[in-house]
Amino acid sequence: QVQLQESGPGLVPPSQTLSLTCTVSGGSISSGGYYWSWIRQHPGEGLEWIGYIYYSGSTYYNPSLKSRVTISVDTSKNQFSLKLSSVTAADTAVYYCARLDSSGYYVDYWGQGTLVTVSS
Amino acid sequence: DIQMTQSPSSLSASVGDRVTITCRASQSISSYLNWYQQKPGQAPKVLIYAATSLQSGVPSRFSGSGSGTDFTLTISSLQPEDFATYYCQQSYSSSRTFGQGTKVEIK
Repeated sequence: QVQLQESGPGLVPPSQTLSLTCTVSGGSISSGGYYWSWIRQHPGEGLEWIGYIYYSGSTYYNPSLKSRVTISVDTSKNQFSLKLSSVTAADTAVYYCARLDSSGYYVDYWGQGTLVTVSS
Repeated sequence: DIQMTQSPSSLSASVGDRVTITCRASQSISSYLNWYQQKPGQAPKVLIYAATSLQSGVPSRFSGSGSGTDFTLTISSLQPEDFATYYCQQSYSSSRTFGQGTKVEIK
């Protein structure tokens, strides 16, 4: 059973960089075949796709966030990470890491989510 | 980006009711449409993928239909555990997008 767990600061000052890591267990990122994704949900609102990465390092980012987002993978630690720069209060959200199924079309495994608040 | 519009935004229903939720895409997405269920404090869970395929372990009272721009999620007989928010999501475009959600509440 694949499990994903987000980790990182729950509070980030405005204009700083939000950094989160997702640790994958029960499966190896380097075995290939899957895309690994970050998705967020503003409080009380819907879901927003941030981007996704393949084990080889190829990425896709949401165009509305592309200038501020970097997703990277560390296969030696079986982790992938999110960096979002120049954050504002509008970036306050629950951030989920997730795995796209082998077709790449839907999420079959999710992390539990972590709330990140942007505030001084 | 492809815009996904769900209707209604919320609905009230009773246990045993047949419930239908609609999702419309701003352009044709063939059958690249998935449905998720989210309960408060939990991550979403996929119910239906590729418009009509039931994810393993999901009860058969859930079904999906449609192609092109118009899609439907149907719950044939609403159960107490089905009160939740439902989202559609398109995977036709590399820029994946979700609908705004439909909250199903107890009548």
